[in-house]
This record gives sequence, C-alpha cells and structure tokens, in this order.
Amino acid sequence: QSVVTQPPSASGTPGQRVTISCSGSSSNIGSYTVNWYQQLPGTAPKLLIYSYNQRPSGVPDRFSGSKSGTSASLAISGLQSEDEADYYCAAWDGSLNGVVFGGGTKLTVL
Amino acid sequence: EVQLVESGGGLVQPGGSLRLSCAASGFTFRSYWMHWVRQAPGKGLVWVSCFKSDGSSTNYADSVKGRFTISRDNAKNTLYLQMNSLRAEDTAVYYCARGIGVAAAGFDFWGQGTLVTVSS
Repeated sequence: QSVVTQPPSASGTPGQRVTISCSGSSSNIGSYTVNWYQQLPGTAPKLLIYSYNQRPSGVPDRFSGSKSGTSASLAISGLQSEDEADYYCAAWDGSLNGVVFGGGTKLTVL
Repeated sequence: EVQLVESGGGLVQPGGSLRLSCAASGFTFRSYWMHWVRQAPGKGLVWVSCFKSDGSSTNYADSVKGRFTISRDNAKNTLYLQMNSLRAEDTAVYYCARGIGVAAAGFDFWGQGTLVTVSS
C-alpha cells in the first residue's frame, strides 16, 4: 500500500478538463513540492510538473498542478486522445528520507 | 542532448547478485543527484535509491536497505546499483533518473530501463 494515495482510474471526453488527486501526509506532500509524471504504455515515465508548478520544456500548458496542505492535484484541460496514459504523483518524504510515489492513475479518454 | 543508458539487467536466481550501470551523457553528471526507480510488471513506480551530487550521502528504500548499494563514478559519468541477496519481488524494470527541483526529487530525464528477473 502506497504512502501517497491516488485514485486507480479517471476518465474524460476530448476537450474536457479532468483532475487527478494525490493524497499524502505532513512528511511528504505537506512539506515538499509534488512532481507529476505521465507514462505511456511500454515507455519510461515523463516529467510533467515539478517544484512549484513548473513544467519542463515541451510540456504543454494544458497540464497544471496545485497543492493544498497534504493533498495535490493534476489538472489536464482540453483533454486529447494522446493524454490516455498512467499518471503518477511523487514527493520527497522527510521521514523516510526518500521519494514516495502514488500508486498511479490510469486515465482513459472516452 | 541528455542521455541515460542502463545496462546489466538479466535473469538471476534468488539469492544471487547483479550490478546495474547507467551511463550518462549530455550534462554535467557530477552536479546532479541521481536516482534508481523500479517498476514491477504491470505495477506502479517505486523509488529505490539516490546518490547526492556532492557525494555526501546515499538513501535507500526500506525494501532494499542492506541488500542494494548505489555508487557513482563521476570520472566515468556512470551510476551503479549493486544488488545482492535478490528476491523474486525485486523483479522489475529498473530505471535511472536525474533529479531536479526541490529535494532533487523531480526526475526530468530517465533511461530506457533494464529488466531484472529473479527466478529459479
């Protein structure tokens, strides 16, 4: 069981805005910034959001992150078919002295 | 162009050992924290270990502590993971990743992964 919790699945239709939640604790999300990853089948994960809602070069601004207390969310606006993937949140955990990942959310574009 | 290329995976019997390598290029390797992350077949991502850029410390997930050792050779731009006393539950694709951002916990570049299978 993951220290950080995500819903196992989410879905939306093209053009819609969807959010994926991520719940942790004071030792991880409550104290550190949250990073979000997208993983397409058979490929390595790709960083979408890091630090204070920063996007690496090439990541469209349709992707955005937010945090409140010990929870965080990834929002995807203008949903596209190519957004269908697994999404993971992660953060440093000061008690474990390591990075904790959420269990992942499978996003389906209907 | 930043590149991370893992090697060293394969089939090993329970209790055996394996050493993974991650060759880095396209950036100043010694300036970055480096991490290992694994993913069991059909499962989620799990952080394994990291090595600070200044070489001052390493960290491990509880599940591998005492069995795995992370190291780096800044002259060769290479990260290693020595895995001993391997168990069936260590079967996974192992990725190396570069850390950025707060606590260097954002992984902006990943290798293609190397598969480790622990089975008799």
